[in-house]
Amino acid sequence: DVVMTQSPLSLPVTLGQPASISCRSSQSLVYSDGNTYLSWFQQRPGQSPRRLIYKVSNRDSGVPDRFSGSGSGTDFTLKISRVEAEDVGVYYCMQGTHWPRTFGQGTKVEIK
Amino acid sequence: EVQLVESGGGLVQPGGSLRLSCVASGFTFSTYSMNWVRQAPGKGLEWVSYINPSSSTILYADSVKGRFTISRDNGKSSLYLQMNSLRAEDTAIYYCVRNWNPDYWGQGTLVTVSS
Repeated sequence: DVVMTQSPLSLPVTLGQPASISCRSSQSLVYSDGNTYLSWFQQRPGQSPRRLIYKVSNRDSGVPDRFSGSGSGTDFTLKISRVEAEDVGVYYCMQGTHWPRTFGQGTKVEIK
Repeated sequence: EVQLVESGGGLVQPGGSLRLSCVASGFTFSTYSMNWVRQAPGKGLEWVSYINPSSSTILYADSVKGRFTISRDNGKSSLYLQMNSLRAEDTAIYYCVRNWNPDYWGQGTLVTVSS
């Protein structure tokens, strides 16, 4: 199975400041069609996960542009340009290239 | 608006069975692959099972293979998960998730396996 490793696991941030989460995979996530199926999900307290980013850097509809994704191959990053109070929650990366689908451990974002 | 509504969770004894259901709306269910993903209390996300639109491709996580069965009824826009021989470690919120590259999630249904 592809192991997804996130860091840090806990991220205290100041409102209005940037935040960055790293996600590394144990194998390349480039699929045979040339796409890289790496997604980011946000799970607010008490809610279901919500997809923010798909195929590394594509924002889902309704996702604020302060969220951005980047990376390639096995190394990926989610950035929040200016953290807002509503961004508190746990963020997961997930690979959609290989079976079984696997998730990172999650990164808990909280306000300092 | 895409909606996925799970039901069927509850308290069951070890070794028991439970059948989860997910009713979909807001999209053409018959053209989308579906998944079940679970989350143990206070833990991360674990993919459980996948089924393609025609039910010709079905996949399971090793942790549930031989005990769980995924199925769908496109006429009823519904997804199911039959869970047998349940164990304490199956205790989790079970989410119905759309698409082979997961996008939309339901609100989840809690399964508790305990004596």
